[in-house]
Amino acid sequence: EAGVAQSPRYKIIEKRQSVAFWCNPISGHATLYWYQQILGQGPKLLIQFQNNGVVDDSQLPKDRFSAERLKGVDSTLKIQPAKLEDSAVYLCASSLIRGRWETQYFGPGTRLLVL
Amino acid sequence: DQQVKQNSPSLSVQEGRISILNCDYTNSMFDYFLWYKKYPAEGPTFLISISSIKDKNEDGRFTVFLNKSAKHLSLHIVPSQPGDSAVYFCAAPQGGSEKLVFGKGMKLTVNP
Repeated sequence: EAGVAQSPRYKIIEKRQSVAFWCNPISGHATLYWYQQILGQGPKLLIQFQNNGVVDDSQLPKDRFSAERLKGVDSTLKIQPAKLEDSAVYLCASSLIRGRWETQYFGPGTRLLVL
Repeated sequence: DQQVKQNSPSLSVQEGRISILNCDYTNSMFDYFLWYKKYPAEGPTFLISISSIKDKNEDGRFTVFLNKSAKHLSLHIVPSQPGDSAVYFCAAPQGGSEKLVFGKGMKLTVNP
């Protein structure tokens, strides 16, 4: 079974530029999550989707971050404009059963460096 | 405000010995806890979990102990193997939501 795919794996941009990350979850997983992991910290949930609907985006900085999952499968996370403090690993995860954490699988992440 | 705390950033043990990773929490409403393992350049993977109705859960070499009165849990790995070298995260679902709250992680190094 293929895992959660993310691209790109690495991205370097200058502050105030825009960047987008892509995630393809495991086939059949209706729940999709985006996490931000800053160096030395644990992952922090940015947004959770159930199919193409948003379940929780309370920790998403909506003035600069946006995310969509239009067809209930792939998802994109965008930052516009980027700030230095956005440097982090952005992890996508998907889950077969909503609320069953043991069924949540993480992708390898996209490492973003904002200069 | 850190609701899940892993106060020791790293631990080094010899192969074959026991590794004990600790986690403290502040929110008494937490009723389920998970441990994740993360290798470099990979996402975290689920390792083991425990419900607050239990005080111990075992899976092979991995055992998690929960002390609710002390708001403390620990992960024991016996015997430790070099392949266990990774960063370990403790996490708990936020009460009333599906949001997982993670600790900062602890880097375990198992020396051959």
